[in-house]
Amino acid sequence: DTGVSQDPRHKITKRGQNVTFRCDPISEHNRLYWYRQTLGQGPEFLTYFQNEAQLEKSRLLSDRFSAERPKGSFSTLEIQRTEQGDSAMYLCASSLTGDANTGELFFGEGSRLTVL
Amino acid sequence: AQSVTQLDSQVPVFEEAPVELRCNYSSSVSVYLFWYVQYPNQGLQLLLKYLSGSTLVKGINGFEAEFNKSQTSFHLRKPSVHISDTAEYFCAVSDSDDSWGKFQFGAGTQVVVTP
Repeated sequence: DTGVSQDPRHKITKRGQNVTFRCDPISEHNRLYWYRQTLGQGPEFLTYFQNEAQLEKSRLLSDRFSAERPKGSFSTLEIQRTEQGDSAMYLCASSLTGDANTGELFFGEGSRLTVL
Repeated sequence: AQSVTQLDSQVPVFEEAPVELRCNYSSSVSVYLFWYVQYPNQGLQLLLKYLSGSTLVKGINGFEAEFNKSQTSFHLRKPSVHISDTAEYFCAVSDSDDSWGKFQFGAGTQVVVTP
């Protein structure tokens, strides 16, 4: 399967614990995005990378959230000191840029976080 | 910043009947428009997109959408739905500049198809 993969698919944690999600984009895609989706809402943009550079962060991304893409391939999203309000589906997407850009984001199946 | 409004949170429809899902976005100079579908326990899949050119775009599974710049709308239609079209549908918009990909999604429309 050469699509976007995310791990873990489900994570249940207690309030105050740290969690980390991993995203492996489509291999030739140089842009990688993180979105968050809460129940009954559409996905909300969190941040994106072009290669290893983090180009933009949403105001939704508090100081407890950090994302990295160290080698321009996979990315991690860490949430420190989780709160119940962090419970959501975290979606990763990837795309090409430049002349190869088809205008489309390719999404993974998401990592569902439940904070007790 | 862009905003997207999907006017219907849920649309019940009978099998083989037509369906229209409405999407309006806030005005901008130039935008890209998308419809994504999310089946239960699956990731978002692209149905169709408008980047430029013809305002009527056709997508997968018999869906089509029309871009109307004056009304800032991008409504999705299918002339005859199947049970398998039961899913949540999201309209999304991206500014067509270098920061494209930072999509603004609507809240979604749940389509429930019954026999």
